[in-house]
Amino acid sequence: EAQVTQNPRYLITVTGKKLTVTCSQNMNHEYMSWYRQDPGLGLRQIYYSMNVEVTDKGDVPEGYKVSRKEKRNFPLILESPSPNQTSLYFCASSRRTERDTQYFGPGTRLTVL
Amino acid sequence: EDQVTQSPEALRLQEGESSSLNCSYTVSGLRGLFWYRQDPGKGPEFLFTLYSAGEEKEKERLKATLTKKESFLHITAPKPEDSATYLCAVQALYGQNFVFGPGTRLSVLP
Repeated sequence: EAQVTQNPRYLITVTGKKLTVTCSQNMNHEYMSWYRQDPGLGLRQIYYSMNVEVTDKGDVPEGYKVSRKEKRNFPLILESPSPNQTSLYFCASSRRTERDTQYFGPGTRLTVL
Repeated sequence: EDQVTQSPEALRLQEGESSSLNCSYTVSGLRGLFWYRQDPGKGPEFLFTLYSAGEEKEKERLKATLTKKESFLHITAPKPEDSATYLCAVQALYGQNFVFGPGTRLSVLP
């Protein structure tokens, strides 16, 4: 089954404790992206990657890091999480030639205390 | 700066009562405008892409249209299973990122 998976689905952590949210897709997609979703603000793009070893900042990259060492994986790293990073996070992927048809993962709900 | 607004914020319809959702956008050259559906607790699901003013796309009870400043998602004779949040997004002609609107939360009552 074609899908985007994220882990963990739910995470409660404390300020300053480094964490990684994993994202994996099995569709051989070149384009991958991370979003955060907050009430009233909609989805905001954090980082995206056009292919392996190619990443770029979205609209809200501060406080986040990403890497793309393999085509299928695109982890999101919060080196020193803060309470304002409490949010619902989505990973998405698509073919580079069909960037509009993004397939989204199920989401990761992160709470930073 | 690229921006997307959506109205209304929330909409309640009776089953069979047709209506439209609005997406207004400001972008420095439009590559594409996208509609997604999002159910509670799930990731957005792709519905349509529109590329140029005058373009229309249909899927079951949904029809999306595009002008130079806004897009409409028309819902004809909706059913309770159409209840969801509908998201609009744009991508600029020379950009790689997507800008989403806040969404319209649609409730269709039986």
